[in-house]
Amino acid sequence: KNEVEQSPQNLTAQEGEFITINCSYSVGISALHWLQQHPGGGIVSLFMLSSGKKKHGRLIATINIQEKHSSLHITASHPRDSAVYICAVSSQGNLIFGKGTKLSVKP
Amino acid sequence: GAVVSQHPSRVICKSGTSVKIECRSLDFQATTMFWYRQFPKQSLMLMATSNEGSKATYEQGVEKDKFLINHASLTLSTLTVTSAHPEDSSFYICSAGTGYSTEAFFGQGTRLTVV
Repeated sequence: KNEVEQSPQNLTAQEGEFITINCSYSVGISALHWLQQHPGGGIVSLFMLSSGKKKHGRLIATINIQEKHSSLHITASHPRDSAVYICAVSSQGNLIFGKGTKLSVKP
Repeated sequence: GAVVSQHPSRVICKSGTSVKIECRSLDFQATTMFWYRQFPKQSLMLMATSNEGSKATYEQGVEKDKFLINHASLTLSTLTVTSAHPEDSSFYICSAGTGYSTEAFFGQGTRLTVV
């Protein structure tokens, strides 16, 4: 079992839909990251969380430390949100990455 | 699946010396390599993007003369931290792209400590 599990693996949505991507982990962490990777490979760091909730524009990230679970929400999704979203946890000085969720938002 | 090997995983060096970090794609040709840095309790930050055979593109605020990136082949990229200082102590990670997919193939990361 992977230490960081994301679901779903693939997600197709219509423009305007509310989207949720989930991340569960099984190790002790100091922080959880949500990353966005666009075609071509470049990665943008969206959030770093150690507790609670963070919001940036249409993106919201939450984390429940007790349940070892985090969610990334996208409100009013847009085709430009199409990308791979990666959950990564900082654990004992290392970064452990989830396999990513490929999101396609159709116009 | 595709494998990217990053070496060394940990390195401690003296202030003023140079350190080279290697990132190898073991079973695919990496046309693009990305180098990231993460300071303690901070998000992962892209440092530079390199394409095989051409000069790296550095992000704003990253000193190109200090962080030398070489991507001379389709399977190897190196990051050299020159004249390292304690403030360069960080976690460095590479990722490789094939140019044909959106998948990310990451190295294991290198924890650099400059004393």
